[in-house]
Amino acid sequence: EAQVTQNPRYLITVTGKKLTVTCSQNMNHEYMSWYRQDPGLGLRQIYYSMNVEVTDKGDVPEGYKVSRKEKRNFPLILESPSPNQTSLYFCASSLSPGQGGDQPQHFGDGTRLSIL
Amino acid sequence: KNQVEQSPQSLIILEGKNCTLQCNYTVSPFSNLRWYKQDTGRGPVSLTIMTFSENTKSNGRYTATLDADTKQSSLHITASQLSDSASYICVVSALQYGNKLVFGAGTILRVKS
Repeated sequence: EAQVTQNPRYLITVTGKKLTVTCSQNMNHEYMSWYRQDPGLGLRQIYYSMNVEVTDKGDVPEGYKVSRKEKRNFPLILESPSPNQTSLYFCASSLSPGQGGDQPQHFGDGTRLSIL
Repeated sequence: KNQVEQSPQSLIILEGKNCTLQCNYTVSPFSNLRWYKQDTGRGPVSLTIMTFSENTKSNGRYTATLDADTKQSSLHITASQLSDSASYICVVSALQYGNKLVFGAGTILRVKS
């Protein structure tokens, strides 16, 4: 089954304790992206990757890092999490090398992070 | 100001009724406009994708329309079902910014029996 898998689905942690949210897709997609979703706001892009070893900042990259060493994986790293990073995070992938190609993005089911 | 505005913020309708959700955007030029459905606790799922030259696209009971002149899109849901209860998100691909996706905040629809 074609899917985007995120782990963990839920995490409560404390300020400053490094954490990684993993994202894996089995569709051989070139393009992958991370978003955060906050109440009353649309999905906001954190980072994206056009292909292996190619990553770039989205709209809200501060406090986050990513890497793309393999095509299927795109982990999101919070080196020193802070309470304002408490949010719902989504990973997405698509076939098109460009973000707005006519291929739909496939989203994972989200990771709810609470930073105390 | 958000470049993609959706209305209403939330909506409650009775099962079996039709409804229409609105999306107004200022993103220009754009390459395509998408509607996603997001169930509670799940990621968004694509419903329709329309290029700037298309003015309607259907997916079962969902019909999206696009008026590129007025920069408006709507999503019409026919004969609503309880399973249509979800958030519906309008997304515009901004050609000017390398096809960057700009998301609306969504409309929360609740269908009650």
